Amino acid sequence: QQPVQSPQAVILREGEDAVINCSSSKALYSVHWYRQKHGEAPVFLMILLKGGEQKGHDKISASFNEKKQQSSLYLTASQLSYSGTYFCGTEGDDMRFGAGTRLTVKP
Amino acid sequence: GAGVSQSPRYKVAKRGQDVALRCDPISGHVSLFWYQQALGQGPEFLTYFQNEAQLDKSGLPSDRFFAERPEGSVSTLKIQRTQQEDSAVYLCASSLTQGVFGKLFFGSGTQLSVL
Repeated sequence: QQPVQSPQAVILREGEDAVINCSSSKALYSVHWYRQKHGEAPVFLMILLKGGEQKGHDKISASFNEKKQQSSLYLTASQLSYSGTYFCGTEGDDMRFGAGTRLTVKP
Repeated sequence: GAGVSQSPRYKVAKRGQDVALRCDPISGHVSLFWYQQALGQGPEFLTYFQNEAQLDKSGLPSDRFFAERPEGSVSTLKIQRTQQEDSAVYLCASSLTQGVFGKLFFGSGTQLSVL
C-alpha cells in the first residue's frame, strides 16, 4: 500500500521554508526521499533507517518516527533549484512511493 | 555501467500490439524494481526482483503484464495487447542491496504511448 503525502503542492518564495509529510499504514524498515524534475528520473535525497532518526543534506533535512510510521522532509531557506516534485518511498516488503508533492520556488 | 539504462526511451504502439521494455541495471545490483508513472502521479509499484527471483509481482495491473530477469541482470517488462490506459512512463530502478534496500538508482524511463 502506497504512503500518503501532504501537501499535494507548495509554492514558495526564495528563502522560505517548507515541510512535506509522509505517512504509512504499514510498519516500515526505512523511508526514502527523492526529488524529480520535469521529464527526468527521480534522484535520491536521503534514507532514514531508524525510528526518530534525523538526517540532513545541505539545507534539506528529514525525520522518521518509526512508531507513528511517519516521516517529514524539511526544506529551509529554499533555493530556486529546490523546485520539483518530492516523493517519499516507504520500505516494507518492497518499495512504494507516495503521489508526490510539487514544490515551486519563485524568485 | 555508469547508471541504469532503459530502452527504448520512447515507444508508440497501436492498441493491441505487444511491447517489450528493457532495463539494464547497474552492474552488481541485486534488487530491481519496475514502476509505472502516469502524468502528474507518483511511481506506482509493479514488480520487484532479487537477482533472478521475482519476489513480488502484486503491482502488475493485469495478466497482460509480464516481467523477467533470467540471469539476474537485465530485465524486460512485456505488455501484451496494449490498451490506451497502459500509456505512461515505465521506470526501472536498481539497488545494490537486498532486504534493507538502500539508495535506489532510477533509469530515465520509457515513455509508452498507446494510440
